[in-house]
Amino acid sequence: TQLLEQSPQFLSIQEGENLTVYCNSSSVFSSLQWYRQEPGEGPVLLVTVVTGGEVKKLKRLTFQFGDARKDSSLHITAAQPGDTGLYLCAGVKEKLTFGTGTRLTIIP
Amino acid sequence: NAGVMQNPRHLVRRRGQEARLRCSPMKGHSHVYWYRQLPEEGLKFMVYLQKENIIDESGMPKERFSAEFPKEGPSILRIQQVVRGDSAAYFCASSQVTRGYNYGYTFGSGTRLTVV
Repeated sequence: TQLLEQSPQFLSIQEGENLTVYCNSSSVFSSLQWYRQEPGEGPVLLVTVVTGGEVKKLKRLTFQFGDARKDSSLHITAAQPGDTGLYLCAGVKEKLTFGTGTRLTIIP
Repeated sequence: NAGVMQNPRHLVRRRGQEARLRCSPMKGHSHVYWYRQLPEEGLKFMVYLQKENIIDESGMPKERFSAEFPKEGPSILRIQQVVRGDSAAYFCASSQVTRGYNYGYTFGSGTRLTVV
C-alpha cells in the first residue's frame, strides 16, 4: 500500500504569517499533485510537479518536488483568510493516491 | 468542478437499504475513479473504471459494494444493505488518457451519504 503522510495534520496561524506543509512517501511517483478542498466540495487541483527537484510558484504558493520524487512541500507566504481549507497531496501512478491531508485555518 | 456531475448531492438511507450514486464524467473523458472520504480525512481510492471495464478495484470492499461504467450513461457506485459505517462523502473524478498519458483529473462535488 502506498502511503503519503502529510504534516502537520492541523495548522492554525495568524494572517500574514508564512507556513510550510509537507508530504512524504516511501514510494516514487511519476508526478505529484496538490489539491485544495473547500467544505462541501470536491478537491480542486492547484499544481502538478513532475521532475525531481522541480519548484513551481503560484502567486504566494511555492511547491517543491523532492529530488527522489518521494516527497513534496507547499509553502505559503503571507497567508490570508482565503487560504483556509484542506490541502491534499496526491501521488500519480495509474491512479491518484491521496495524502492524509492538512487542515489549514488562517485567523484574521 | 462543474464538468463532473454527481447526483444526488445528499443521500439519506436507513440501515439495510441500497444506495446508488451516479457520476457523469466530463465530456470526452472515458476514465472514471471513485473515492471515499471520511470526516477530517483524505480521500481513499475505491475503484477505477473505463467504459464497460473495471481496471482497478483494489480499494473496494469485497462485499456489498459494486461499480459499473456502462457504454451509455453515467458510472454507478452501488452499496447494498448499507450500514452506519458507510456514511461518508463519495467523490468521482474523470480523466482523459491518451497513449498512456493522463491529462489530469477533475473531481465532482461529491455525494454525501448518511446512513441512519
